[in-house]
Amino acid sequence: GENVGLHLPTLSVQEGDNSIINCAYSNSASDYFIWYKQESGKGPQFIIDIRSNMDKRQGQRVTVLLNKTVKHLSLQIAATQPGDSAVYFCAEKKIQGAQKLVFGQGTRLTINP
Amino acid sequence: DTGVSQDPRHKITKRGQNVTFRCDPISEHNRLYWYRQTLGQGPEFLTYFQNEAQLEKSRLLSDRFSAERPKGSFSTLEIQRTEQGDSAMYLCASSFMGIQSEAFFGQGTRLTVV
Repeated sequence: GENVGLHLPTLSVQEGDNSIINCAYSNSASDYFIWYKQESGKGPQFIIDIRSNMDKRQGQRVTVLLNKTVKHLSLQIAATQPGDSAVYFCAEKKIQGAQKLVFGQGTRLTINP
Repeated sequence: DTGVSQDPRHKITKRGQNVTFRCDPISEHNRLYWYRQTLGQGPEFLTYFQNEAQLEKSRLLSDRFSAERPKGSFSTLEIQRTEQGDSAMYLCASSFMGIQSEAFFGQGTRLTVV
């Protein structure tokens, strides 16, 4: 079946360093890709999204890169802070129908002081 | 309006009992989604409403599950004859209609079936 997955389940970085979280997807028909952050005991929180016709999109301290050739999505977080510690999920959705989110397994990011 | 609200936050029930969860979406949002999340996994889609109409249900949603959204405002998710496999976090999200519309999630209801 179609799958949105992640390469690494855990990632530790030093505070102030940059981090990169990766995601592989298999559904080339998806129209949007989204990154969510989930802190313990909370629901997922939207970080940034990118349309399938784009390669790169930047937000505040975050950048999402989309490589459709190899079906790869990444989230770059610059100058990481303790508050960035969380589980990060990539998700995809299509324009048609429910526009429901299809999530991957998640990567736990830990920021070390 | 401070966001999507879910009640209760935690529910412990005995196997075989019925449980009902409530979700209050952001008031202007016409779409409402239910997801289920088990430990270490990403949320999985269960069902969604556009206004009061339930337009899609996942195969994950067995006959024991029913969801409603009367009047297109709050929604309830009921699980009948709960099983231990139903233990999970049940998340509600709401959004405007439209591919670019961001989905806002509630904090979820954690269900434990003992």
